Amino acid sequence: EADIYQTPRYLVIGTGKKITLECSQTMGHDKMYWYQQDPGMELHLIHYSYGVNSTEKGDLSSESTVSRIRTEHFPLTLESARPSHTSQYLCASSAKLAGEGSDTQYFGPGTRLTVL
Amino acid sequence: KQEVTQIPAALSVPEGENLVLNCSFTDSAIYNLQWFRQDPGKGLTSLLLIQSSQREQTSGRLNASLDKSSGRSTLYIAASQPGDSATYLCALSSGYALNFGKGTSLLVTP
Repeated sequence: EADIYQTPRYLVIGTGKKITLECSQTMGHDKMYWYQQDPGMELHLIHYSYGVNSTEKGDLSSESTVSRIRTEHFPLTLESARPSHTSQYLCASSAKLAGEGSDTQYFGPGTRLTVL
Repeated sequence: KQEVTQIPAALSVPEGENLVLNCSFTDSAIYNLQWFRQDPGKGLTSLLLIQSSQREQTSGRLNASLDKSSGRSTLYIAASQPGDSATYLCALSSGYALNFGKGTSLLVTP
């Protein structure tokens, strides 16, 4: 079982608030990711990191920012939340398993964010 | 850009039936294909991963196949159980991240 954690699991917050979604993994994976998933829609990559001090934007434009100061920690921040940010945010990490040619991704339980 | 399509969008079957979920993709230049399970309000659980060089993978009652030349993958679930009810997602790795389909919502009725 993957050891990747996200807090909070659910968050309801008012417009304009600053929020940080936490993601931590204990597997020592270098690569970490943030995906956004609207109800009934695909997951879309919004940020990823190849290691400490490495962050890149994903395919879907997002007003959020991320940081990677420690290998195990990849928090996502929204400086001023808006109703359009209401969505589920899923964190993942990946590693190449023995005998495999490419990475396997492991996902956290997600944070369901509602901005009123 | 990789387009991933999953058919059907929803499926309801009685317990005990064998079933097939389909996934098609437009770009065959992939590293691997993963099938995930997503339960309501929860994250994703990896079910099977097929490397680009492989044709199929099996785990218990699940069997996934990959045909890159036709841009298709199938997930076969044998002897379905109510506990199999969930959304099943197909995802392809073409580099740094995964491209997902919208999923198939499966309901197995007792």
